[in-house]
Amino acid sequence: EDKVVQSPLSLVVHEGDTVTLNCSYEVTNFRSLLWYKQEKKAPTFLFMLTSSGIEKKSGRLSSILDKKELFSILNITATQTGDSAVYLCAVGTLGEETSGSRLTFGEGTQLTVNP
Amino acid sequence: DGGITQSPKYLFRKEGQNVTLSCEQNLNHDAMYWYRQDPGQGLRLIYYSQIVNDFQKGDIAEGYSVSREKKESFPLTVTSAQKNPTAFYLCASSMGPLSYSPLHFGNGTRLTVT
Repeated sequence: EDKVVQSPLSLVVHEGDTVTLNCSYEVTNFRSLLWYKQEKKAPTFLFMLTSSGIEKKSGRLSSILDKKELFSILNITATQTGDSAVYLCAVGTLGEETSGSRLTFGEGTQLTVNP
Repeated sequence: DGGITQSPKYLFRKEGQNVTLSCEQNLNHDAMYWYRQDPGQGLRLIYYSQIVNDFQKGDIAEGYSVSREKKESFPLTVTSAQKNPTAFYLCASSMGPLSYSPLHFGNGTRLTVT
């Protein structure tokens, strides 16, 4: 059974801090790892990673994948209160011929940034 | 603006009643999905459809049913057979295969069954 584990489950920091969120996985037929940000309602897409060692960056957020050690990290520098959200990690796999590709989500990390 | 619209935002039902959650998209995506989100658990796939008039069971399909008569619409019915229906339901769509195409999500429907 495919498994995606995020840590920590919950994190409280002060504005300006740097945070690192972790996502480890054990899956069959890995294809991609995706990060989403969920503020109350609809998750919004942040990054998709398919290759090891290549950092993806968007403003203060960055992410990298290690396919040998089977994990990814999401870094947020100079955090702001608007970064408060649940961050979801999902791993895409290619299933059997009849089932096609799948996506397995982790539990999410609840990040709270206090002023 | 293109996007996914779910309605209603909040839904309250008595046990034993079927209820239908609406999901409409104008992104011209072929694939649509229904996920369930519970506290402390990742999103779990209920049903998905890759093309009109075709849909497949996800990991937790028991007690749910769907239809896909139009490309834009993918309603989910929560039947009385679903043992624990109170949850947050998210509809999503994607341009291509799940493992390579980011999902676009609606704002969700929070269902409470008493």
